[in-house]
Amino acid sequence: QKEVEQNSGPLSVPEGAIASLNCTYSDRVSQSFFWYRQYSGKSPELIMSIYSNGDKEDGRFTAQLNKASQYVSLLIRDSQPSDSATYLCAVRGSTLGRLYFGRGTQLTVWP
Amino acid sequence: NAGVTQTPKFRILKIGQSMTLQCAQDMNHNYMYWYRQDPGMGLKLIYYSVGAGITDKGEVPNGYNVSRSTTEDFPLRLELAAPSQTSVYFCASTSRVGQGENTIYFGEGSWLTVV
Repeated sequence: QKEVEQNSGPLSVPEGAIASLNCTYSDRVSQSFFWYRQYSGKSPELIMSIYSNGDKEDGRFTAQLNKASQYVSLLIRDSQPSDSATYLCAVRGSTLGRLYFGRGTQLTVWP
Repeated sequence: NAGVTQTPKFRILKIGQSMTLQCAQDMNHNYMYWYRQDPGMGLKLIYYSVGAGITDKGEVPNGYNVSRSTTEDFPLRLELAAPSQTSVYFCASTSRVGQGENTIYFGEGSWLTVV
């Protein structure tokens, strides 16, 4: 079983819509969860981190965590063409040093 | 502030050759990582280190070796290069993990092609 799974996409939404990205993880004792954005040919950049159940909002981004369901999501409100990128879910497992990534969901926001 | 520096940025290797990807950080971070990313895929953890002298395997360690003799440097060694090792390699570091952990900093990546 893969450590971190994401809806494979690609996901395409019109400008101004809400984009919803999902991620599940297998290590039940995971404590730290992250969403990274990666533009083509670039390194990943952190956009959200979440550690507790519930919602965490930062501007147009909202991360949601449900540890009982082992599920974490990212909502992007008022999507912009500049949001077009691959979004990577990352989970810190029970072994503190390890950080696992999903395969990413490619998002395209069209004008 | 240089952050995480990877060299080389691009390299073409012949099958069976060996090489070392260099990674250095100037932030005094304890935790360092090597990932590979194949086209259209996420990042796969190769090796990681929680401090000088301490390294451990990740998801895909076969064909690679690492060392961590100093806090700053975390080189990745490819022995007997194979076409399956054609990938983009990212080095990353952070100062603290767990509750309240800090941002992970990534290098710009090293594009490796094995022919």
